[in-house]
Amino acid sequence: NAGVTQTPKFQVLKTGQSMTLQCAQDMNHNSMYWYRQDPGMGLRLIYYSASEGTTDKGEVPNGYNVSRLNKREFSLRLESAAPSQTSVYFCASVQGGYYGYTFGSGTRLTVV
Amino acid sequence: EDQVTQSPEALRLQEGESSSLNCSYTVSGLRGLFWYRQDPGKGPEFLFTLYSAGEEKEKERLKATLTKKESFLHITAPKPEDSATYLCAVQAGRGSTLGRLYFGRGTQLTVWP
Repeated sequence: NAGVTQTPKFQVLKTGQSMTLQCAQDMNHNSMYWYRQDPGMGLRLIYYSASEGTTDKGEVPNGYNVSRLNKREFSLRLESAAPSQTSVYFCASVQGGYYGYTFGSGTRLTVV
Repeated sequence: EDQVTQSPEALRLQEGESSSLNCSYTVSGLRGLFWYRQDPGKGPEFLFTLYSAGEEKEKERLKATLTKKESFLHITAPKPEDSATYLCAVQAGRGSTLGRLYFGRGTQLTVWP
């Protein structure tokens, strides 16, 4: 089925470890986003890519890096994980500015 | 600063008991207001987009309306399968990145039989 695929679905890291969250969409969307969702905080934007070859910071970019590998793929990297990065991470994509996002099913990350 | 506030935080309804969820917003030039449904352990699922005051959209038991300051999601005769968290998001115009959405914290709806 067409949509946004995130891997892995679950991950436990030790403080200081690094990892990359993968996201791929097969809808030929231009824009892609990474959000984190924490209890009582709502969805907060980490990084986004308005189009292939561009990336920009969102509200909470510290501790993260991103790569827009091609039009389909947008990865999020944690270079040195911290307990404060324990969260649920969602990737989303959209064709243009006026349409609703399509979200992936999320990656549940725990940093111990 | 653009802000989105949803109320109530949680709502419990008996099956068939109609009610409304509220989303108030302060943004610089609203381009669109979005409603999403999120089930536990899943990503948000798009429901509606509203673009201008007075606009209404309907889907099954849900009806979304928009004024210049807020949006309502009306739920008519809800069923237990309507239980979910409902998220509101706005897309701002002036000075904002194209496509970026600002989300509220959501209303957790529980419908019991």
